[in-house]
Amino acid sequence: DQQVKQNSPSLSVQEGRISILNCDYTNSMFDYFLWYKKYPAEGPTFLISISSIKDKNEDGRFTVFLNKSAKHLSLHIVPSQPGDSAVYFCAAGTSYGKLTFGQGTILTVHP
Amino acid sequence: EAEVAQSPRYKITEKSQAVAFWCDPISGHATLYWYRQILGQGPELLVQFQDESVVDDSQLPKDRFSAERLKGVDSTLKIQPAELGDSAMYLCASSLGTGSQFFGPGTRLTVL
Repeated sequence: DQQVKQNSPSLSVQEGRISILNCDYTNSMFDYFLWYKKYPAEGPTFLISISSIKDKNEDGRFTVFLNKSAKHLSLHIVPSQPGDSAVYFCAAGTSYGKLTFGQGTILTVHP
Repeated sequence: EAEVAQSPRYKITEKSQAVAFWCDPISGHATLYWYRQILGQGPELLVQFQDESVVDDSQLPKDRFSAERLKGVDSTLKIQPAELGDSAMYLCASSLGTGSQFFGPGTRLTVL
């Protein structure tokens, strides 16, 4: 039973355009959500998070949107840069700390 | 900048051998996690420590895996005996409480 799903295995975007990565979840007990970026042979790097009481959080070029009724969150990157090319994981957490990750989406930003 | 340290970065072993991975969390982080990531999938929690105590080890295959954090600081994850299916990236993460988790570079294990 996959509680966090990233249905797009890959996404290709032109430099300067917007990248939108999507994530769906099934467990309504999750109370915060995070996005991580991962390069090959490295550990995931924390990007941005959002509490379940908010619907938007912004940090520079990165914005996360949360739609609780649809159990859906998305990460917007504007403008996209070639250095953003990586695997992006969404994760959902409970008050106990355990994170449940999606399968990841490979983002490729073309110059 | 504070980081989670892990060693070794790469480990190749033969099946039925024992392997051990080490993690040193960010100073002051009471919560430590071990995850396993299989290629093409997201990380999956193996064990969570709060200080020296295990909080969650429900997904740890206890017949062959063990983890300890004796002094509530660094931690060791052991596999004995290793099996072919254990080939994966083993990630350590830490957090102040139950907030955002910060990951180390991981140990890439290959079992031959």
